[in-house]
Amino acid sequence: DQQVKQNSPSLSVQEGRISILNCDYTNSMFDYFLWYKKYPAEGPTFLISISSIKDKNEDGRFTVFLNKSAKHLSLHIVPSQPGDSAVYFCAASVDRGSTLGRLYFGRGTQLTVWP
Amino acid sequence: ETGVTQSPTHLIKTRGQQVTLRCSSQSGHNTVSWYQQALGQGPQFIFQYYREEENGRGNFPPRFSGLQFPNYSSELNVNALELDDSALYLCASSQGTGGIDTQYFGPGTRLTVL
Repeated sequence: DQQVKQNSPSLSVQEGRISILNCDYTNSMFDYFLWYKKYPAEGPTFLISISSIKDKNEDGRFTVFLNKSAKHLSLHIVPSQPGDSAVYFCAASVDRGSTLGRLYFGRGTQLTVWP
Repeated sequence: ETGVTQSPTHLIKTRGQQVTLRCSSQSGHNTVSWYQQALGQGPQFIFQYYREEENGRGNFPPRFSGLQFPNYSSELNVNALELDDSALYLCASSQGTGGIDTQYFGPGTRLTVL
């Protein structure tokens, strides 16, 4: 059973515009959420995270929003750049972000940023 | 400081065979987690090793087994391969006392089972 869902397999955005990637989850025990970026032939790389006690976290061009009541989070990239083109995975943890725990991943969204 | 490396990059096996995949953790890391990423899916947690002991296991059958060595490198062994085992196998290393956002993934091993 998929506990983390990314319902959009792909997203295409023009350079300079905003990219919004969405993620839904079903397990109310999740207390830490992460976004990873993956280029072909490379492993996922950590992008940004958010604890369940917050509703927003910002890091440069990347902002993650968490709506606990809706069990929904989103990643905003502003402005989008061609180098942002990659697969983005949403992931969740029940271990308060401890490295001694597992991640539950969504299926990923392929973001394409065109000039 | 070297990153997480995995070997081999690709391999092809036939159904029923056994395979061993290897992961060298990043310097200073004592925790290794293994994930399976099937085509079109997100990574699925297989198991984790912390200081040479298994520390959690996902919903995978016993024919998936692992090992962590004193230098904290790790192996994933899969016996009696099935067609559905075809996937990208990722390992991630971290320091056990750190946050999960300090976990670093290797590039993966692409396994094809014919």
